[in-house]
Amino acid sequence: AQKVTQAQTEISVVEKEDVTLDCVYETRDTTYYLFWYKQPPSGELVFLIRRNSFDEQNEISGRYSWNFQKSTSSFNFTITASQVVDSAVYFCALSEAGGNTPLVFGKGTRLSVIA
Amino acid sequence: DAGVTQSPTHLIKTRGQQVTLRCSPKSGHDTVSWYQQALGQGPQFIFQYYEEEERQRGNFPDRFSGHQFPNYSSELNVNALLLGDSALYLCASSFVRGRGIEQYFGPGTRLTVT
Repeated sequence: AQKVTQAQTEISVVEKEDVTLDCVYETRDTTYYLFWYKQPPSGELVFLIRRNSFDEQNEISGRYSWNFQKSTSSFNFTITASQVVDSAVYFCALSEAGGNTPLVFGKGTRLSVIA
Repeated sequence: DAGVTQSPTHLIKTRGQQVTLRCSPKSGHDTVSWYQQALGQGPQFIFQYYEEEERQRGNFPDRFSGHQFPNYSSELNVNALLLGDSALYLCASSFVRGRGIEQYFGPGTRLTVT
């Protein structure tokens, strides 16, 4: 069975600090996809990134970066120079390959960035 | 280009009642998935509709049912509401011919059962 664990329930940082959100996953599939979503107080899940199991290259997008390591089944998310607008709940999710398979979400990490 | 829309935004129902939630997918998408998000939890998959049929289903009772219309919009119906059905209901749309493509979520409908 697939499982996603986000061990950090809540994180609080001061603005401009860097912060890393951890995600550990379990799956028996050799081909799968990993995602990060952001959920601001409005409730809508905002897609941030998708990574497939064959692509372990780290990715950087502005202040966001992602570190995917199959050896440790982890897909961690780092925000550099955090801003108050980054305050939200962040979810890591996993799906099997094959298109349109259900997402399995972690419980989320609530990030609070204090000015 | 309109994103995923859901209605209503909020809803209050009494135990035992029935409720219908609605979703319009993002333009160009043909698949709709429904998720339930209880307070403080991650979303849980309810079911997915494609070509007007339920294609996949999560671990939810038969009280949860759905429908997809020819224009790809979808409804989620919940019968005999329980207090535990109080949650944020999220609709996600995607394009079936994309492999592992990301799902785009709507703003959700917050259901409160009293």
